[in-house]
Amino acid sequence: SSELTQDPAVSVALGQTVRITCQGDSLRSSYASWYQQKPGQAPILVIYGRDNRPSGIPERFSGSSSENTASLTITGTQAEDEADYYCNSRDSSGNLRWVFGGGTKLTVL
Amino acid sequence: QVQLVQSGAEVKKPGASVRVSCKASGYIFTSYSMHWVRQAPGQGLEWMGIINPHGGGTSYSQKFQGRVTMTKDTSTSTVNMELSSLRSEDTAVYYCARENSYYDSLGMGFDAFDIWGQGTMVSVFS
Repeated sequence: SSELTQDPAVSVALGQTVRITCQGDSLRSSYASWYQQKPGQAPILVIYGRDNRPSGIPERFSGSSSENTASLTITGTQAEDEADYYCNSRDSSGNLRWVFGGGTKLTVL
Repeated sequence: QVQLVQSGAEVKKPGASVRVSCKASGYIFTSYSMHWVRQAPGQGLEWMGIINPHGGGTSYSQKFQGRVTMTKDTSTSTVNMELSSLRSEDTAVYYCARENSYYDSLGMGFDAFDIWGQGTMVSVFS
């Protein structure tokens, strides 16, 4: 199996740009997806593939990928973006298995 | 609209089994694989396994192999997740999540969990 590593916590000033990263061997062969989770709610998909947003996700959310690292960038962060963010991808073992990162708590100051 | 509705909260004793169901609506049930993900209190998301509602094929996380069984009922568009030999560490919110395949302008395919159920709290204590 493989692991995805995220920083436990990140903070950003209101209106500024923040990058949340996700590292792991599985990202060398599979793109990460990103999920936003607010307290007491189910996660929602915000980025899939290299840099694709599902319908309804604001343009300030974007993604990128390089070698074994995926990044989620929020440009012009809003107060409502304060949440936990998780990355996930297929496992690198070749089996039909998936793995999640440990999550990053984003605080908007 | 597309949605996944899960069964209600459960309270179980250690050693017992629990079954959580997830009813799909608003789309062709057999066209999308379904995952189960759990989240212990204050912790992150943990992938448990996947079931293909078309043929019923499954793949489980090694952590749960031997304790988890995922099944489907095509007649009711429902997938079920049964976890046995429960222990206190299994106390968590359990989610079902649909896997969707997206394609970009270059024809590259990407899979992601696009629809999630509301979650089912399973509490295990004596």
